[in-house]
Amino acid sequence: EAEVAQSPRYKITEKSQAVAFWCDPISGHATLYWYRQILGQGPELLVQFQDESVVDDSQLPKDRFSAERLKGVDSTLKIQPAELGDSAMYLCASSFAGTGNGYTFGSGTRLTVV
Amino acid sequence: GNSVTQMEGPVTLSEEAFLTINCTYTATGYPSLFWYVQYPGEGLQLLLKATKADDKGSNKGFEATYRKETTSFHLEKGSVQVSDSAVYFCALNPAYGQNFVFGPGTRLSVLP
Repeated sequence: EAEVAQSPRYKITEKSQAVAFWCDPISGHATLYWYRQILGQGPELLVQFQDESVVDDSQLPKDRFSAERLKGVDSTLKIQPAELGDSAMYLCASSFAGTGNGYTFGSGTRLTVV
Repeated sequence: GNSVTQMEGPVTLSEEAFLTINCTYTATGYPSLFWYVQYPGEGLQLLLKATKADDKGSNKGFEATYRKETTSFHLEKGSVQVSDSAVYFCALNPAYGQNFVFGPGTRLSVLP
């Protein structure tokens, strides 16, 4: 069964350092999403890509977060500088067309900022 | 706006007990409704979905019926197992091409 790949699974970083996460969606899925999930809460959308273009980044803290999907396939989410409040699970998801069939999520990256 | 409300957890049940996790939503138009499950340390997995009123989604013994009149999509299972212990998220997709809205999740613990 096709999967959304994410790496690393776990990341510990010191505050003020830079950190990056990688996501490889299911082949053929044009739409890619980055979500942040704070412990005990539901996922919240950070950014949505359609191919290589950003469709929605209204909830992305652009002073410190950036996301790119240069070739419309895999994607990188970066935080610089990291803050203690960024500790969370970062989930990537992809979908084929629209979202009528739901998203497929990756296993996530658990970020701890110390 | 669009929102999802779920019953607060944690929900603790004994094995083979009946499960209900309530979910209600607010949405304009005719959303699709979903239940996702998240096992410890993992991402979310789609459990079931319903795309129109009166549809019943089912998977792995779980069921949920799209009730437009009560704006609800309650998750049920007749006999839970220890392996069902996880966090369950109700979600809606307001319309084609729009982003999902997730509820806060309900943690289920099943004791042997």
